[in-house]
Amino acid sequence: SQTIHQWPATLVQPVGSPLSLECTVEGTSNPNLYWYRQAAGRGLQLLFYSVGIGQISSEVPQNLSASRPQDRQFILSSKKLLLSDSGFYLCAWALDDRDTGELFFGEGSRLTVL
Amino acid sequence: LAKTTQPISMDSYEGQEVNITCSHNNIATNDYITWYQQFPSQGPRFIIQGYKTKVTNEVASLFIPADRKSSTLSLPRVSLSDTAVYYCLVGISGYSTLTFGKGTMLLVSP
Repeated sequence: SQTIHQWPATLVQPVGSPLSLECTVEGTSNPNLYWYRQAAGRGLQLLFYSVGIGQISSEVPQNLSASRPQDRQFILSSKKLLLSDSGFYLCAWALDDRDTGELFFGEGSRLTVL
Repeated sequence: LAKTTQPISMDSYEGQEVNITCSHNNIATNDYITWYQQFPSQGPRFIIQGYKTKVTNEVASLFIPADRKSSTLSLPRVSLSDTAVYYCLVGISGYSTLTFGKGTMLLVSP
């Protein structure tokens, strides 16, 4: 069966520090991968999505970046965090060949920038 | 991208049936309609998905009219544990960016 892992689960970082959140998917090949952010009391904002290795599309201009170095690995990064980067970050995957829009989410990473 | 509109919040009591409607006026021909449930500090969880007419599974039913410009998630006999945010999502994983709307906060009271 397919599983998705995100880490770290919780992170507290000072303003201006770098960030790296990692997501891996097991049990499937060539998934579409997504990074979402959820600020406190808000909905889900799509940040990045990837349809293959090295292919990243950004939905919102910001100081965050994403990379997909391997088929089932998706990394969210920042060189210098801002206070506004605080939030709940969710990685998700979907099967490209099903064309149905069903997403499978990880458990999330809560980032607090101080 | 098909944009969705849902009520911000709904209140119900245990044992009642709850219907949450989502509007998606510019849905594309190939788009599916998917509903998710999210508890605090957890990732959203798939509830049900449909393309047209009615779909039913062990937890919910999804009603989609012929024009597909709206859909209604029906939760039979809700319990306190159904208190959560419910999202309607319209799109195709392979081609769209699957953008979520603001969701509906359902509060179930005793």
